Amino acid sequence: DAKTTQPNSMESNEEEPVHLPCNHSTISGTDYIHWYRQLPSQGPEYVIHGLTSNVNNRMASLAIAEDRKSSTLILHRATLRDAAVYYCILRDGYSGGGADGLTFGKGTHLIIQP
Amino acid sequence: ETGVTQTPRHLVMGMTNKKSLKCEQHLGHNAMYWYKQSAKKPLELMFVYSLEERVENNSVPSRFSPECPNSSHLFLHLHTLQPEDSALYLCASSQDVRGRPEDNEQFFGPGTRLTVL
Repeated sequence: DAKTTQPNSMESNEEEPVHLPCNHSTISGTDYIHWYRQLPSQGPEYVIHGLTSNVNNRMASLAIAEDRKSSTLILHRATLRDAAVYYCILRDGYSGGGADGLTFGKGTHLIIQP
Repeated sequence: ETGVTQTPRHLVMGMTNKKSLKCEQHLGHNAMYWYKQSAKKPLELMFVYSLEERVENNSVPSRFSPECPNSSHLFLHLHTLQPEDSALYLCASSQDVRGRPEDNEQFFGPGTRLTVL
């Protein structure tokens, strides 16, 4: 699996935007970029995913570089409840369908200051 | 109940005990997964089941034995564990089979915190 690189931790203030970077310089043409997050004492939860175009949903936005070698997860207005570990994961879009385990890295520990 | 549930939430066992972890999903999914999360290590995929058949076993020691009797239930049977097996064990499910891989979002349970003495 192609590897991702994320900062170990980031800190932001409540109600301000947060930009979480992810580098994936060895991404293949069929890899999708997925983001999950893990709140304290909980299992991970899906946040967003994309292939080439920027994506928005109710939780966040995903900005993908033109060469696809990096991406940024954007939380538009962070709250204390957004404090979590955020994981950037690549998934092959042509793995043949079906069950496919996720390969997690260490992620970015996001700290939100009130 | 909705989503993915796991029982028990906490478990303490001795190295000679036999115990089982249970996972149940109420989402109508066809694939289920076991992951292990040790302190200061990334989540590690252990087993993958698709339509009750094991499709992946990531070199997990035989003291961990999974069972998937139907698409809604997944068990992890534990026997003669070691202290280094203490970890958070997470279960997940996804739609699988006919879904597009890029849309095969995984839904995780809250995990079972296992301590082996």
